[in-house]
Amino acid sequence: DQQVKQNSPSLSVQEGRISILNCDYTNSMFDYFLWYKKYPAEGPTFLISISSIKDKNEDGRFTVFLNKSAKHLSLHIVPSQPGDSAVYFCAARTGGSYIPTFGRGTSLIVHP
Amino acid sequence: EAQVTQNPRYLITVTGKKLTVTCSQNMNHEYMSWYRQDPGLGLRQIYYSMNVEVTDKGDVPEGYKVSRKEKRNFPLILESPSPNQTSLYFCASSQVSGNTIYFGEGSWLTVV
Repeated sequence: DQQVKQNSPSLSVQEGRISILNCDYTNSMFDYFLWYKKYPAEGPTFLISISSIKDKNEDGRFTVFLNKSAKHLSLHIVPSQPGDSAVYFCAARTGGSYIPTFGRGTSLIVHP
Repeated sequence: EAQVTQNPRYLITVTGKKLTVTCSQNMNHEYMSWYRQDPGLGLRQIYYSMNVEVTDKGDVPEGYKVSRKEKRNFPLILESPSPNQTSLYFCASSQVSGNTIYFGEGSWLTVV
C-alpha cells in the first residue's frame, strides 16, 4: 500500500519552460515533505522541503506547493534547464518517526 | 567533508555466497538506513537504526541483516544472496531531529 504516490513515471519538458512534478499521499499524519533529486550513478540529494504548516516554499527556481486538503504536493521548476534532468523523489514523514516514506520517483527530461 | 561512504560500489557475486556492504558516515548522525532502488519501485527501505544497538525492519527486510555496533557504521549483510537481491543499494544517515537525509553514492549488486 503506497502511502506516497508519484503517478507519473516520467516527464519531458522543453528548456525554459515550467516543469511540474506531482506527488499524492494518503497518510494524514504526514507533516513534513521533501523532494530529492537523483542523477544516474549518484545517491539522491536533498532539494527542497515543506512543513505542513505552510502551503508554499520557494528556493530559487524550485517551489514546492502543498495542498493539505487534497493531500497533494507539487514541485515547480522555473525555468527548466537541461541540468535538471534527473529522477525526482517525493518523500513524507510524520513528526514522531523522522523516518521518511519515499515515492517511486519521476524521471524528468529537459530538452535543449 | 560531510559524507556517507559505501563499499563496494560494484559487486557481482554468486547465489549463496555471504557478502557485506559497508556504510560509514562522518557526521555523527544517530539515524542510519539502507534502501534498495529497483526500476518502477523507487526507494524501498530495508532496515534502519535510530542509534547504536537499535535496529528495526523497514519495508523489505527479508534476506538482509544489519548491525549498529558503532554510531558511524551500519553494514548491510546478505547471508545467502539470491538473484532477486540484485539491485542498487543506498545507505543514508541523518540527525534524528533533522530534516535532511544524506545518501551514499550507491552500491550496485548483481547476484548470479
